[in-house]
Amino acid sequence: QTVVTQEPSLTVSPGGTVTLTCASSTGAVTSAHYPNWFQQKPGQEPRALIHSASIKYSWTPARFSGSLRGGRAVLTLSGVRPEDEADFYCLLYCGGPQHWVFGGGTKLTVL
Amino acid sequence: QAQLVQSGAEVKKPGASVKVSCKTSGYVFTNYGVSWVRQAPGQGLEWIGWIAASNGHRDYGPTFQDRLTVTMDTSTNTVYMELTSLTSDDTAIYFCVRDFDYRPDYWGQGTPVTVAS
Repeated sequence: QTVVTQEPSLTVSPGGTVTLTCASSTGAVTSAHYPNWFQQKPGQEPRALIHSASIKYSWTPARFSGSLRGGRAVLTLSGVRPEDEADFYCLLYCGGPQHWVFGGGTKLTVL
Repeated sequence: QAQLVQSGAEVKKPGASVKVSCKTSGYVFTNYGVSWVRQAPGQGLEWIGWIAASNGHRDYGPTFQDRLTVTMDTSTNTVYMELTSLTSDDTAIYFCVRDFDYRPDYWGQGTPVTVAS
């Protein structure tokens, strides 16, 4: 069964840039995993940010970007704002009955 | 704009079953699928199952195969998630999310399910 790994926590200063990564226990993350990224703030449902590794939704702020790099899915936040403080989850398509697998989430602190 | 509205909070005893509904609107129901995701208190997200509204095809997470049933009613554009043989480990918020073409996008507000004796 696939395990998806993210950094448990990261801290960034306002205005800074931070990179969150998403790795798969079965090998390199590729476009065939259709990586998705979600942001979740306390007490709220998750909000979709990125699909298919790098495609933004109409509501995704420009400072968020997604890519594949070094065998991982990557979410980059540039010009971080205090309101970006949240939990971020990646989601990989693993096919078959397992279908989707979430990473454990990254708690982003803006300090 | 798509909307997914879920049924209200549930409290169940161990061994019981729970059925959560997810009423969709704002899009062509049969053009999309719906996934179910849960989040235990203070924990991360866990995908548990999916149904294709076009043909009713279902996929269930390996750990839920024996206890989970996802169904739909195309007359009301509603998807249902039923989980049986509940234990305290099933205490979580259950979310439905529109899911098509590998992009889960619109989420329901979540339904808290508490399992306690």
